Amino acid sequence: GAVVSQHPSRVICKSGTSVKIECRSLDFQATTMFWYRQFPKQSLMLMATSNEGSKATYEQGVEKDKFLINHASLTLSTLTVTSAHPEDSSFYICSARDPGRGRGFSQPQHFGDGTRLSIL
Amino acid sequence: AQKITQTQPGMFVQEKEAVTLDCTYDTSDQSYGLFWYKQPSSGEMIFLIYQGSYDEQNATEGRYSLNFQKARKSANLVISASQLGDSAMYFCAMREDTGGFKTIFGAGTRLFVKA
Repeated sequence: GAVVSQHPSRVICKSGTSVKIECRSLDFQATTMFWYRQFPKQSLMLMATSNEGSKATYEQGVEKDKFLINHASLTLSTLTVTSAHPEDSSFYICSARDPGRGRGFSQPQHFGDGTRLSIL
Repeated sequence: AQKITQTQPGMFVQEKEAVTLDCTYDTSDQSYGLFWYKQPSSGEMIFLIYQGSYDEQNATEGRYSLNFQKARKSANLVISASQLGDSAMYFCAMREDTGGFKTIFGAGTRLFVKA
């Protein structure tokens, strides 16, 4: 079964709306979560690394004020797309590192099922 | 420079035949991990196989095997006995020792399995 739950799976909203996406680890404590963005027929682009209890680390070119990330607990990270516009429409995927399994690079990275965001 | 290169945007394979999906990578780290993921049209990312840079044996997981050629920096995925359900996007990915557990993905290869 799914070990990372991402909600909602699909959002359609008007331009200017802020949208919150949740990513929960279900049976492990995720000290680190990742947020990716995927355009149609393209690869996953890492947006930011979310660390529990500290500020997220954003990749170059990602607007911190546009994509707010909060990792308030060991099982929940949220991505808020503020004042969303049509160009923010995309597929957003979170993933969580499971430190309790595997060693080093082989530690599993569990993905959520993604959120398809459409801004009208 | 691209860290992960997948040169095949699309591939066709006949059902029950084997297919190789190419992946080359670029890193100066001695320690790194290589992954393959499958993404069906529904969007979820499915982990297939992992190869560590110090692993001497090529990784295998059921019908999936990874042809790891370290000197050539290639990590090709071999799918044996293709099934219609294998039709999907396939991504090669890497984690580097200096990367802080970040996973970098290639552009992907779309595989079409023909009946």
